[in-house]
Amino acid sequence: DAGVIQSPRHEVTEMGQEVTLRCKPISGHNSLFWYRQTMMRGLELLIYFNNNVPIDDSGMPEDRFSAKMPNASFSTLKIQPSEPRDSAVYFCASSLWDRGGGYTFGSGTRLTVV
Amino acid sequence: EDQVTQSPEALRLQEGESSSLNCSYTVSGLRGLFWYRQDPGKGPEFLFTLYSAGEEKEKERLKATLTKKESFLHITAPKPEDSATYLCAVAGATNKLIFGTGTLLAVQP
Repeated sequence: DAGVIQSPRHEVTEMGQEVTLRCKPISGHNSLFWYRQTMMRGLELLIYFNNNVPIDDSGMPEDRFSAKMPNASFSTLKIQPSEPRDSAVYFCASSLWDRGGGYTFGSGTRLTVV
Repeated sequence: EDQVTQSPEALRLQEGESSSLNCSYTVSGLRGLFWYRQDPGKGPEFLFTLYSAGEEKEKERLKATLTKKESFLHITAPKPEDSATYLCAVAGATNKLIFGTGTLLAVQP
């Protein structure tokens, strides 16, 4: 298995531009999570899906952030418009909805907004 | 609200010097407590899941234990390659995985 695949690995964009981060979860996993990691706040859960349905988006910081999961093998996190304070590493993780085992993380997307 | 607190924030050890990392937690309906290792520029790498108080798991020089309020990650005779950030997380009744801020471990030769 190739694991959780995220793209791009690095993204540099100008303030005000739209940014789309992509994630392909592990085949067979039915839960998908988006996290943001910064030095100040550590790993923060933004949103998670179960069976492609958003379950909890209480961690999404503002309306500028949105996430979709159109099918079991693909998810996107969009920021529009982007701001410098959005600069962070964004991770996607997937798991099986069971006793909480096996959350597997991707390699992350390092976003820099200038 | 589910919460995880890790200590110390940073730990420097000499090669071979054993120690423990602490993870204190509060969670509604524990589904699992997780330990991850994170190297610079990489995503968290899964180490262990513990499900109930009294449970222990081992992997090479690492041993994780769990009580009703905290978990310890014991590192026996560490090597420089064990240097990393160690993250603790809990999943509660909602299946949300909530992380602590981690312990940065440096093992000097």
